[in-house]
Amino acid sequence: QKEVEQNSGPLSVPEGAIASLNCTYSDRGSQSFFWYRQYSGKSPELIMFIYSNGDKEDGRFTAQLNKASQYVSLLIRDSQPSDSATYLCAVRTLDDMRFGAGTRLTVKP
Amino acid sequence: GAGVSQSPSNKVTEKGKDVELRCDPISGHTALYWYRQSLGQGLEFLIYFQGNSAPDKSGLPSDRFSAERTGGSVSTLTIQRTQQEDSAVYLCASSLVGTQGGQFFGPGTRLTVL
Repeated sequence: QKEVEQNSGPLSVPEGAIASLNCTYSDRGSQSFFWYRQYSGKSPELIMFIYSNGDKEDGRFTAQLNKASQYVSLLIRDSQPSDSATYLCAVRTLDDMRFGAGTRLTVKP
Repeated sequence: GAGVSQSPSNKVTEKGKDVELRCDPISGHTALYWYRQSLGQGLEFLIYFQGNSAPDKSGLPSDRFSAERTGGSVSTLTIQRTQQEDSAVYLCASSLVGTQGGQFFGPGTRLTVL
């Protein structure tokens, strides 16, 4: 069983729509949760982190965490073509950090 | 420095040669990670340092791979007797210690083994 699971996609949304990216994790001891964006040929870039149940908003991005369901999501409002990238979910326990395989998002003009 | 730096940015080598990759983390970050990413694939965890010690070496793919970190700062990843399957982008990341620290990645070293 993979420790951090993401739908590999590709996920395609029209410009201006809401993109919803989902991630589940297996370790109930996980304590902090991160979303990274990776453009093709570039290294991952940290865009959001969340530690507590509920929603956390930062501009067009909203991270949602439900520890009971072991589920974390990223919503991107008013999606832009520049948001097209692979989004990696990462989950941190006391000892290490594990990454999902990523979801490829394409925003079509 | 302002961010994580890695060198070289690109390395082309012949099968059987040894290579050394370098990572310079963000100043003050005590945790340092090495990952490997093949084309179109996810991140493959290699090794994690806390200070100069490596509590988790579980990801090193074979005994040809080794890493060290000195002075709690710069780390080198060494691959001996390189094979074609070692070709990938090698990414280094650093973070503050503790559970809330997100990792910040360097630009990577693209290794090509001919």
